[in-house]
Amino acid sequence: EDQVTQSPEALRLQEGESSSLNCSYTVSGLRGLFWYRQDPGKGPEFLFTLYSAGEEKEKERLKATLTKKESFLHITAPKPEDSATYLCAVQEAGTASKLTFGTGTRLQVTL
Amino acid sequence: ETGVTQSPTHLIKTRGQQVTLRCSSQSGHNTVSWYQQALGQGPQFIFQYYREEENGRGNFPPRFSGLQFPNYSSELNVNALELDDSALYLCASSPGTGGANVLTFGAGSRLTVL
Repeated sequence: EDQVTQSPEALRLQEGESSSLNCSYTVSGLRGLFWYRQDPGKGPEFLFTLYSAGEEKEKERLKATLTKKESFLHITAPKPEDSATYLCAVQEAGTASKLTFGTGTRLQVTL
Repeated sequence: ETGVTQSPTHLIKTRGQQVTLRCSSQSGHNTVSWYQQALGQGPQFIFQYYREEENGRGNFPPRFSGLQFPNYSSELNVNALELDDSALYLCASSPGTGGANVLTFGAGSRLTVL
């Protein structure tokens, strides 16, 4: 059974203080690893898809990387508007579009 | 481009009642998935519909059922509600079932069971 573990559960950063979020996964055959951002009371918003080890993707202050066992979401010089819960999910090959999510990392960025 | 819309946004039910949640998929998307998100947890896959048929199901009992209509909209029905069914129910649409399709989520329906 697919498993996704995210750490830390919660992270508090000051504006400009860079850090990384971790997503460890176990899956029989990885079709894709997804990062989503979720604001309180809203649905998850897509950020990135990574397909194979060594792949990297960037968007503004966010950069996602992938190895065979984990993914990192690096946040460079965060701003208060980056405060949200960041969810990692895996899609196993042959499982249609089913995503298995981790419990998320709650990020708070303060001034 | 219209995103995924869900209704109602909030509702309160009592144990034993039945509930129907509705979802309109994003334009161009023919596949709809439903997820349950308990407070402080990640979303859990309930099931997926493609071409009006169930195309994958998670670890949820049969009292969770669904429908997909010819216009690709969908309903989630839950019978005999239990307290543990209290959660945010998320609908997501995608442009197919093959490949690593990106799911586009709606804002969810918040269900409280008393």
